Amino acid sequence: SAVISQKPSRDICQRGTSLTIQCQVDSQVTMMFWYRQQPGQSLTLIATANQGSEATYESGFVIDKFPISRPNLTFSTLTVSNMSPEDSSIYLCSAWGERETQYFGPGTRLLVL
Amino acid sequence: KQEVTQIPAALSVPEGENLVLNCSFTDSAIYNLQWFRQDPGKGLTSLLLIQSSQREQTSGRLNASLDKSSGRSTLYIAASQPGDSATYLCAVNTNAGKSTFGDGTTLTVKP
Repeated sequence: SAVISQKPSRDICQRGTSLTIQCQVDSQVTMMFWYRQQPGQSLTLIATANQGSEATYESGFVIDKFPISRPNLTFSTLTVSNMSPEDSSIYLCSAWGERETQYFGPGTRLLVL
Repeated sequence: KQEVTQIPAALSVPEGENLVLNCSFTDSAIYNLQWFRQDPGKGLTSLLLIQSSQREQTSGRLNASLDKSSGRSTLYIAASQPGDSATYLCAVNTNAGKSTFGDGTTLTVKP
């Protein structure tokens, strides 16, 4: 199974600032994804992090707000830009491991004041 | 667009009961289906993965079934324990690795 770590685990930020979240997988994976879980809700896919090319964003999410990097097969970052209180959520990184099982990181809990 | 519904939204049972959680999806062209558990303030833990060609998977006290043609999956938990209390999420996956999640069933098992 793939083990995924995220940094930071939580943060409190001021509106208008940006936060970059890091995701590290302990093995090489083909697919990595970023999800958002707003308070009391389920998970929504933000984008697919593509290695060596631009991320593929889902409807309602744009690169200017959520720039994503994926420099190699084990690492990705998500930046939440120009934050507002509505961005307060848990952000989760996931990866497809062996047997096409999806594994999740522990999440980054973000509070925007 | 795929939509995933989980029923019930919340469930409270006494310890020892067997229970069934339901998941339905609108587009039967799925690659696989995965059940997760989420504890409060924590990430997701994978419980069972069912490929589209499979009918069921079992792990310990958990059994998940899949009826792709009718767009349904169930998670059966036998002999429930207080430690089973958590939110259970159903995720339907495409072959591109994208997941559509249901809203979850919050389970409380009372001692």
